[in-house]
Amino acid sequence: GQQLNQSPQSMFIQEGEDVSMNCTSSSIFNTWLWYKQDPGEGPVLLIALYKAGELTSNGRLTAQFGITRKDSFLNISASIPSDVGIYFCAGQSIYNQGGKLIFGQGTELSVKP
Amino acid sequence: GAVVSQHPSWVICKSGTSVKIECRSLDFQATTMFWYRQFPKQSLMLMATSNEGSKATYEQGVEKDKFLINHASLTLSTLTVTSAHPEDSSFYICSARDPRGPRDTQYFGPGTRLTVL
Repeated sequence: GQQLNQSPQSMFIQEGEDVSMNCTSSSIFNTWLWYKQDPGEGPVLLIALYKAGELTSNGRLTAQFGITRKDSFLNISASIPSDVGIYFCAGQSIYNQGGKLIFGQGTELSVKP
Repeated sequence: GAVVSQHPSWVICKSGTSVKIECRSLDFQATTMFWYRQFPKQSLMLMATSNEGSKATYEQGVEKDKFLINHASLTLSTLTVTSAHPEDSSFYICSARDPRGPRDTQYFGPGTRLTVL
């Protein structure tokens, strides 16, 4: 099925560093969601975005809904070891009915203490 | 956020047997639930949309006779993997839309690890 283009695929950073990841789509989206998944667990919702240009924070996490409605980014500031996991972007295309989400390939984050 | 549970969290079965996985919305009523499948190191792939009181809508390539979905109440959807084979081994995750919140937001269950021997 259709997927979002999420990058980077993986990141290895030092504790305390900032992290940035993004997703792009070829079609216009009306919702962008960012999830974190720990091994063997289901994804946990981090941030939800519903309007173009919207910038939302959740603690050290900040995400934005791109003004073109075709992209979104997630920033993590001052990373800590518990930030380790896989981050997924997900969105709903304006052409997608029924509330179905399209997922990115994921960004695997490793944090070195 | 809304809470979604799944049961069992893991199951091991013999080839040819059927396995039922439950997905429950614990603090809200979900008219729509979704079932996903995830292979190691891969993203989530939507299998089907489960609508309370009506037939599920399956994604292209998903066998509806093999993956039976029942959404008999507003808080429970079940996925039955019939005549399971080793290639059905995977991580199955459900999600539910919380009608109390903004549109399109899905909350996920903790997942069920299925291993078919």
